[in-house]
Amino acid sequence: KAGVTQTPRYLIKTRGQQVTLSCSPISGHRSVSWYQQTPGQGLQFLFEYFSETQRNKGNFPGRFSGRQFSNSRSEMNVSTLELGDSALYLCASSTEGNYGYTFGSGTRLTVV
Amino acid sequence: GEDVEQSLFLSVREGDSSVINCTYTDSSSTYLYWYKQEPGAGLQLLTYIFSNMDMKQDQRLTVLLNKKDKHLSLRIADTQTGDSAIYFCAENPYGQNFVFGPGTRLSVLP
Repeated sequence: KAGVTQTPRYLIKTRGQQVTLSCSPISGHRSVSWYQQTPGQGLQFLFEYFSETQRNKGNFPGRFSGRQFSNSRSEMNVSTLELGDSALYLCASSTEGNYGYTFGSGTRLTVV
Repeated sequence: GEDVEQSLFLSVREGDSSVINCTYTDSSSTYLYWYKQEPGAGLQLLTYIFSNMDMKQDQRLTVLLNKKDKHLSLRIADTQTGDSAIYFCAENPYGQNFVFGPGTRLSVLP
């Protein structure tokens, strides 16, 4: 069974640009969550989608948005990039049983 | 708010046991989790424990849960160099998303 797939693995963008990251969950998983990981702040929850609906949202500015498609694939978008948005963005999928997330390998975003 | 706390660093010698400790805050969490992150990778679910259990053993891993003190520990027996990684404790408060600790960086010395 394929794992959680995140694309691209690495991305370099300049300040002010926007970026879209993609996540394909494990087949059958309908919940997709996104986390930002930085050395200073650790793992911070961005949002969770379930059946195309945002179910929970973390404490991030409106520049961070996401969506989920009918096949459970999810995208997150960051507009007007700032240097502080440089991070590893992790996507995780899960079943409703809550037996833990399965994480992807992440997208490392560098903003210059 | 929820805060999961862990010590940031642990060094052990190869072959010794490692014990990584964690305190959590929300007693509504049904499960508590341990994740491992190797350099350049995402997080890998190592094990989880149901909140009404005191202990769970899985090969070299032993999880102990003290629900009264909201204390969780992960013991790795016969620690190997391949166990060097960052270990995250996580809770899953009812109706909310996972809350992760800051991670404990385990260094295994030969």
